[in-house]
Amino acid sequence: DSGVTQTPKHLITATGQRVTLRCSPRSGDLSVYWYQQSLDQGLQFLIQYYNGEERAKGNILERFSAQQFPDLHSELNLSSLELGDSALYFCASSAGQKETQYFGPGTRLLVL
Amino acid sequence: GNSVTQMEGPVTLSEEAFLTINCTYTATGYPSLFWYVQYPGEGLQLLLKATKADDKGSNKGFEATYRKETTSFHLEKGSVQVSDSAVYFCALSRSSGGSNYKLTFGKGTLLTVNP
Repeated sequence: DSGVTQTPKHLITATGQRVTLRCSPRSGDLSVYWYQQSLDQGLQFLIQYYNGEERAKGNILERFSAQQFPDLHSELNLSSLELGDSALYFCASSAGQKETQYFGPGTRLLVL
Repeated sequence: GNSVTQMEGPVTLSEEAFLTINCTYTATGYPSLFWYVQYPGEGLQLLLKATKADDKGSNKGFEATYRKETTSFHLEKGSVQVSDSAVYFCALSRSSGGSNYKLTFGKGTLLTVNP
């Protein structure tokens, strides 16, 4: 158990819908990362937050957004969903200045 | 930009065989290097890491040495078990300033160990 929690574990929805994925980092970790894992793209970095502020963006679509709240949990919002958004979404956390990221169990999203 | 190249899988071995999964990287400066493992139906677990040249990371019988001259971080285990069956990801982390340590992953190598 990494100490990072993600909810829900599975999510099935329809095209055009909007969903919210939630992540709680390890106790004391200030940095949260979101990654997408798909068969064709592999594991790709989406976005990073540190202590409530956005710090880096990767291959994140404009239809996707995220935020980190004062209690340090983070949410990833996916809107106008398409079939191709079906993937595993991982959250990871790390301490402020250290590099090791610890991953949550992921949310498996299926868009029908 | 940064990139990681892993040997293509799948890799199938018999129990107690020797394992090598090759990993090479492209990055500026001095990245940190990682191996993560993903067991079926689970998330990513950190297996081992190395943060500077010639460092050896090790865990659960797995080892990898950070070789800057060959830009490699090959994963090895002397005697694999059925329970080692999983997907293995090589990754690098290179800070671009502040506390941004996003990971760049290889495509993953599926390992199957037969009894």
